[in-house]
Amino acid sequence: DQQVKQNSPSLSVQEGRISILNCDYTNSMFDYFLWYKKYPAEGPTFLISISSIKDKNEDGRFTVFLNKSAKHLSLHIVPSQPGDSAVYFCAASDGGSQGNLIFGKGTKLSVKP
Amino acid sequence: GAGVSQSPRYKVAKRGQDVALRCDPISGHVSLFWYQQALGQGPEFLTYFQNEAQLDKSGLPSDRFFAERPEGSVSTLKIQRTQQEDSAVYLCASSLVVGGRYEQYFGPGTRLTVT
Repeated sequence: DQQVKQNSPSLSVQEGRISILNCDYTNSMFDYFLWYKKYPAEGPTFLISISSIKDKNEDGRFTVFLNKSAKHLSLHIVPSQPGDSAVYFCAASDGGSQGNLIFGKGTKLSVKP
Repeated sequence: GAGVSQSPRYKVAKRGQDVALRCDPISGHVSLFWYQQALGQGPEFLTYFQNEAQLDKSGLPSDRFFAERPEGSVSTLKIQRTQQEDSAVYLCASSLVVGGRYEQYFGPGTRLTVT
């Protein structure tokens, strides 16, 4: 059973508009969440993270929101740029683990000029 | 500044062959992870090393999979008697800190195709 779910396989957005990528999780022990970005033929690269003690973390054009009661997080990209076109993975970990990350299946974002 | 490197980038193996995949983590990184990413899926955890110690191998799918990191730097993932279901991208990640759950740096992966 998937513990981290990204229910939208793909998302298409116009350049300059907001991109919102969603992620749901089922394990209440998760206390740290990360977003990774992946271009074809490359490994995932870290984008932004959030601890469960916060509900928002912002870094430039990227903001992650966490709703613990709903077990939901989202990544907002404003404004979206064509270079943001990639697959975005949501990942989670719990403090009791050795640090291995549990990933969702990813959402492919296409930003059209 | 070199990142995580993996070799080979692509590997085609006939069913039943043994393969060895190499990972060179970022110098000085304590933690090293292996993940398997099947087509259309997210990476799935295989095993974790803290320096040379393999502290978690709960994600290895069968005893055909074996990983080592003998000197606490380079790591090798070995798959014996490969099967078609082993076809996937194998990702290595490293982190400066123990556990490394706050940020992991990934290599480009090795795409394994078993025919």
